[in-house]
Order: sequence, then C-alpha cells, then structure tokens
Amino acid sequence: QVQLQQSGPGLVKPSQTLSLTCAISGDSVSRNSAAWNWIRQSPSRGLEWLGRTYYRSKWFNEYTVSLKSRITISPDTSKNQFSLQLNSVTPEDTAVYFCARGRADYYGMDVWGQGTTVTVSS
Amino acid sequence: DIQMTQSPSTLSASVGDRVTITCRASQSISSWLAWYQQKPGKAPKFLIYKASSLESGVPSRFSGSGYGTEFTLTISSLQPDDFGTYYCQQYNSFSWTFGQGTKVEIK
Repeated sequence: QVQLQQSGPGLVKPSQTLSLTCAISGDSVSRNSAAWNWIRQSPSRGLEWLGRTYYRSKWFNEYTVSLKSRITISPDTSKNQFSLQLNSVTPEDTAVYFCARGRADYYGMDVWGQGTTVTVSS
Repeated sequence: DIQMTQSPSTLSASVGDRVTITCRASQSISSWLAWYQQKPGKAPKFLIYKASSLESGVPSRFSGSGYGTEFTLTISSLQPDDFGTYYCQQYNSFSWTFGQGTKVEIK
C-alpha cells in the first residue's frame, strides 16, 4: 500500500523559504511511469496544482506558470522522497499543502499525503 | 491556463437520489479529466480518471462521462457517506487545474 508522509514547518516568516518534504513508502520516486506532485488549498484560491517531478530516463520538472520563478520541486532518491521549496513567501502563500502521486501518465493523482497547514506570518 | 467551471456550487439531496455534477473546460481537454471527493479536514480522494474510468475500490454508484469541454459526475443513488465537496481536475495541459468544487449535502 502506497503512503505519502509529509513533514515540514507550519509557520514561515514573510520573504523566507517554505520547505516541505514528502516521504514515499510502497513505491519509488524513480519509477519510470509515476509523477510526484505538490498541490495547495486555500479558501481564496481553492485547489491549486503547484508542480511535479518525474523520471523518464532522466528527471523532469513542471511548474504552474504563476509560481515558476519561486518554486523548486526536487527528488531525493537516497531517501525515496521529494520536496517543495517556495521562495520569497507572502501571506498569500498561506494554505494547506498536499503532496500526491500520479500513478501513471494521463491518470490523475491517486494517493495523497495528509496535508500540512502552512501559515506565512511574522 | 485552462479554466474549469463546476455547477452547481452546492446541492442538497436525499438518500437514494440521483445526483449529477457538471464540469466545463475553457478549451478541449479530450478525456483528460479526473474527479475527487474531499471531506472536511482530509485530503481529496481519487474517484475517476480519464473522464469515465472508475478507480479501483470506488463504489459503482459513481460514474463519469464526457469529452472535450463538458463532463459530468453522477451518483446513481446517493448514500450518507457521499457528503463532501467534489472537484474536477484537468490534466490535458502541463499546467493542471481544478474546478472550484461542488458541495454535496445530505438532506
């Protein structure tokens, strides 16, 4: 059974970097047909897909256009996990953040982490 | 980005009712649409992929249909556990987007 376990701070100061990690059990971050996503949810924005990382003989990343200059999603094969970094955060980045697996190409996101509430405040 | 619009925003129905939720895309997304159910304080649960394919373990009272820009999620006989908010999500373009959600309440 695939499980995703999120970790990271729940409070980040404005202008700093938000960092979250998603540990994978029951699957591999390097599996050739899977993709590893970050999504956030807030009352003002609803559900917002942030980006993903995936391996297809080499590593690829895709990011939502609105965050492209501030976001990095990266795999850690040694720990079988992937992470989210969001730079220069503002209170607008306050949200519940989820990681999720795309089981295969053109499939949707079938396994989700438990969610992490991140508040941006001084 | 492709915009996804769901209707209605809220619906209230009785146990046993047939319920239909509509999702419209701002441009064609072929069949690349998923549906999710979310309950308060929980992560979304994956229900349907490729517009009409039921995820393993999801009750058969859930079904999806549509192609191009118009899609529906149908619950054939609403059950008490079906309360929650339902979201569509397109994965046609590389920048994926969700609908704003439809909240289903049990009368």
